[in-house]
Amino acid sequence: AQKVTQAQTEISVVEKEDVTLDCVYETRDTTYYLFWYKQPPSGELVFLIRRNSFDEQNEISGRYSWNFQKSTSSFNFTITASQVVDSAVYFCALSEARDNTDKLIFGTGTRLQVFP
Amino acid sequence: NAGVTQTPKFRILKIGQSMTLQCAQDMNHNYMYWYRQDPGMGLKLIYYSVGAGITDKGEVPNGYNVSRSTTEDFPLRLELAAPSQTSVYFCASSYGGTSIIPGELFFGEGSRLTVL
Repeated sequence: AQKVTQAQTEISVVEKEDVTLDCVYETRDTTYYLFWYKQPPSGELVFLIRRNSFDEQNEISGRYSWNFQKSTSSFNFTITASQVVDSAVYFCALSEARDNTDKLIFGTGTRLQVFP
Repeated sequence: NAGVTQTPKFRILKIGQSMTLQCAQDMNHNYMYWYRQDPGMGLKLIYYSVGAGITDKGEVPNGYNVSRSTTEDFPLRLELAAPSQTSVYFCASSYGGTSIIPGELFFGEGSRLTVL
């Protein structure tokens, strides 16, 4: 069965520290897609990244980077030099290609608090 | 563009009352979804639709009903409200076109429902 696990419930860091949010997924499909969403205190969900199962290249976008490892079924998210504005709940999610409906299976989220 | 619009943003219901959460999107997306978010539980899919006149159950459909008479609108109906339905509800949409690559979900701002 498909599942997304975010074992870290809450992480607190001081500004400028680097922080890594872990995501482990389970799926029987060979073709699938992984996502990260950000939910700031205002409540809306903001799309951060989509990665397909055939592309294991790491991705960097400014202070954000993502490490996808199929061997460990992980899709971890690192924020470099964290800022107070990074404080939010971050969700990892999975979509299976055979489903063909864009449905997302979410993890339980990791609350990141960045203190000044 | 308004994107995905949900109303109301807040509502308090008494046990046994009924209500409809409204959702509208103006992006001409084919797919629409209703999720609920409970503290520490991530987002769970209630119902989804791949086009007008087509709806299907998600992971937690009990106690809810949906309809999709137009591409733009996807209302969620609670018939007999129960305290277990206290939650934050998110409507989302995605393009759902001919591409087999799942698209980014666009979320509304959420509707906070309390059942007392």
